[in-house]
Amino acid sequence: DAGVIQSPRHEVTEMGQEVTLRCKPISGHNSLFWYRQTMMRGLELLIYFNNNVPIDDSGMPEDRFSAKMPNASFSTLKIQPSEPRDSAVYFCASSLVGTGLYEQYFGPGTRLTVT
Amino acid sequence: GDSVTQMEGPVTLSEEAFLTINCTYTATGYPSLFWYVQYPGEGLQLLLKATKADDKGSNKGFEATYRKETTSFHLEKGSVQVSDSAVYFCALSGRNDDKLIFGTGTRLQVFP
Repeated sequence: DAGVIQSPRHEVTEMGQEVTLRCKPISGHNSLFWYRQTMMRGLELLIYFNNNVPIDDSGMPEDRFSAKMPNASFSTLKIQPSEPRDSAVYFCASSLVGTGLYEQYFGPGTRLTVT
Repeated sequence: GDSVTQMEGPVTLSEEAFLTINCTYTATGYPSLFWYVQYPGEGLQLLLKATKADDKGSNKGFEATYRKETTSFHLEKGSVQVSDSAVYFCALSGRNDDKLIFGTGTRLQVFP
């Protein structure tokens, strides 16, 4: 299995531009999580989906952030407009909930720099 | 709400030294407990887990025991290697919850 795939791995953009991060979860997994990691705030859960439905988006920082999961094999996290304080590493993770194992598999992350 | 507290880093050790990274938790009910490791430039990966009291998780020489009486899940390794240098995260998951609650992470640096 290829694991969780994220693209792009690195993104540099200017303030005010739209940024779209992409994630392909592990085939057969039914839950998907978006995290943000910074030195100041550590690892933060932004939103998670179960069976393509958003379950908890309380971690989304503000309306500039939005996430979608149109099908079981693809999710996007969009920032519009982007700001320098959005600079961070964004991780996607997937899991098979309902097995009692609760293990999450993380992708390699997208390093976002907003100048 | 549920939370995880782990010791501040960095932890700096010489190769072959004994490692302990403390982790305590607050949770209702009986959570599952995890240690994840993040190597430089990579995502987190599961190191070990324990799903009920007194369980011991182990992997790659690392161990942690689920202690309900002290609400702790301390990570230990008898002899660390340079390759163990990474950030270690303690986490919990409630019985009926899909989410993981992570601690702030502890950076381990091992020198030859």
